[in-house]
Amino acid sequence: DVKVTQSSRYLVKRTGEKVFLECVQDMDHENMFWYRQDPGLGLRLIYFSYDVKMKEKGDIPEGYSVSREKKERFSLILESASTNQTSMYLCASSLYWDTEAFFGQGTRLTVV
Amino acid sequence: AQTVTQSQPEMSVQEAETVTLSCTYDTSENNYYLFWYKQPPSRQMILVIRQEAYKQQNATENRFSVNFQKAAKSFSLKISDSQLGDTAMYFCAFTASNTGKLIFGQGTTLQVKP
Repeated sequence: DVKVTQSSRYLVKRTGEKVFLECVQDMDHENMFWYRQDPGLGLRLIYFSYDVKMKEKGDIPEGYSVSREKKERFSLILESASTNQTSMYLCASSLYWDTEAFFGQGTRLTVV
Repeated sequence: AQTVTQSQPEMSVQEAETVTLSCTYDTSENNYYLFWYKQPPSRQMILVIRQEAYKQQNATENRFSVNFQKAAKSFSLKISDSQLGDTAMYFCAFTASNTGKLIFGQGTTLQVKP
């Protein structure tokens, strides 16, 4: 079975802190995605990556950056956390653009 | 830009009955795929069903089927013989070959009542 693992289930950070959310997949998938999920807004794509060291902006990249140094790991970075970044963050991976995406369990981030 | 719209924030259905969730999308692409994903209260998102745009035949997976209307850019999910375990949030999603983005709608919360 494909496994997508996010490093933390719950996280509380202070405003202005630099925050790292880690995601690891174990099935050699090409594509990896970061979303935030907010009530009424669904899943909004922050960034995605289709290969090592490659990244593309999603619909809401402002305030975020990403890193993909190895194929299995995709990190989301909040350079200076703000309260409006309090949200559920979901990581996903897929083998190709048209195949099933597999999701992690999510990280509930609270910025205080 | 590609968009996905789910206009039903919440729905409910009695156990064993049939329910249809709506989804519309907007794209100028010809080569794309559509998906329905399910997110149960435990939060792990899983794939329900997948439709290739160039296939006219509607996809089915056991009790789940879609009504894919390409000209109308509509992609609804029908759940037959609803079960309590179908209670979840359902997301419609879209991806096209030229972008690689996987875009989701706002979600529909479905409650199956005993």
